[in-house]
Amino acid sequence: AQSVTQPDIHITVSEGASLELRCNYSYGATPYLFWYVQSPGQGLQLLLKYFSGDTLVQGIKGFEAEFKRSQSSFNLRKPSVHWSDAAEYFCALRGSNALNFGKGTSLLVTP
Amino acid sequence: GAGVSQSPSNKVTEKGKDVELRCDPISGHTALYWYRQSLGQGLEFLIYFQGNSAPDKSGLPSDRFSAERTGGSVSTLTIQRTQQEDSAVYLCASSPHRGPLHFGNGTRLTVT
Repeated sequence: AQSVTQPDIHITVSEGASLELRCNYSYGATPYLFWYVQSPGQGLQLLLKYFSGDTLVQGIKGFEAEFKRSQSSFNLRKPSVHWSDAAEYFCALRGSNALNFGKGTSLLVTP
Repeated sequence: GAGVSQSPSNKVTEKGKDVELRCDPISGHTALYWYRQSLGQGLEFLIYFQGNSAPDKSGLPSDRFSAERTGGSVSTLTIQRTQQEDSAVYLCASSPHRGPLHFGNGTRLTVT
């Protein structure tokens, strides 16, 4: 069975602070992993993806994620959060067919 | 280049009526997906089309839901005899084979 877990439903950070959003997966083979962001009233936008190779992946908007096979994790990070980063973040895993999404983490950025 | 286009953007229908939701994928993308997003919920997979292969319908919640993809391009999701619990945002996405998904802005369905 394949699944994606995002343990944090809500996260609040101060503008300028660092951010880490957690994602754990369950899959029997090498996963294809993705992070998407959904701003209020907007569609989903791809932030970054991991297929193979370098386990530290750079994405758009200053985001990065690190694939750790030993921990079955693919956490998303950003060194300094901006107010415009407030959104819903989804981790996703492609198994045999379609993408399986986690339930999302809602990020609130405070001044 | 155009992205994934969905229509209508909003649909209000009465309980018991049938609705059709349309998705125009990105040209050249072989895969097309339908997801449903309810308030406060994640994305629920509905159906997946890949090229000429038989679609993966494993996510369809009931036999009131069906989808087709004509000519390997445009897709229509049909919900028959709509119920209030069908109210949600229906998202379509397309991708190259096993590539990242590109999402449309969704159709917000409200069943009254």
